[in-house]
Amino acid sequence: RKEVEQDPGPFNVPEGATVAFNCTYSNSASQSFFWYRQDCRKEPKLLMSVYSSGNEDGRFTAQLNRASQYISLLIRDSKLSDSATYLCVVNPGANNLFFGTGTRLTVIP
Amino acid sequence: GAGVSQSPSNKVTEKGKDVELRCDPISGHTALYWYRQSLGQGLEFLIYFQGNSAPDKSGLPSDRFSAERTGGSVSTLTIQRTQQEDSAVYLCASSPLWSGGNNEQFFGPGTRLTVL
Repeated sequence: RKEVEQDPGPFNVPEGATVAFNCTYSNSASQSFFWYRQDCRKEPKLLMSVYSSGNEDGRFTAQLNRASQYISLLIRDSKLSDSATYLCVVNPGANNLFFGTGTRLTVIP
Repeated sequence: GAGVSQSPSNKVTEKGKDVELRCDPISGHTALYWYRQSLGQGLEFLIYFQGNSAPDKSGLPSDRFSAERTGGSVSTLTIQRTQQEDSAVYLCASSPLWSGGNNEQFFGPGTRLTVL
């Protein structure tokens, strides 16, 4: 079983739509969680950390469910510029991070 | 300020040749990571350096892969006797503190390696 699993998509949504991605992780001892964004042929960049209480940054909301071992990302009022691949990232408590394969989002005009 | 830089940006080599990939982390960042990303795959951890501590090499896929970090700054990833399955984008990231992954990792633009 992979450490981190995501639906690869693609998700094709119209501008203004709300879209949600989920990600599951296998190690119940995992300590910290992130969403990274990766544009085509670019490097990943941190979008937001995911806190136990849930957190919001503008149109983006991240939530963590430790009992079910999943993380979610909600994007409201989608913009064309939101088109990218969203990577779910988990720190199992070691030195490295485990990255999901990413969920590809395309926002359509 | 300057971000993480990597060179070369693209490398095409023949099977069996050795290659060296370079990473210049953000100045002052003590943690440095190497990952590789194959088409349609997630990032695969390769190796981690933190200060003067022994590196975590647990992600290196074979003994053909090695890396060093000189003076706690620049790092070089070496792949000996390259194979076609080594073709991927090799990404370097740095982080300001020992974090175990809790601090943001800043990625370089990557080196796209193609082994013919």
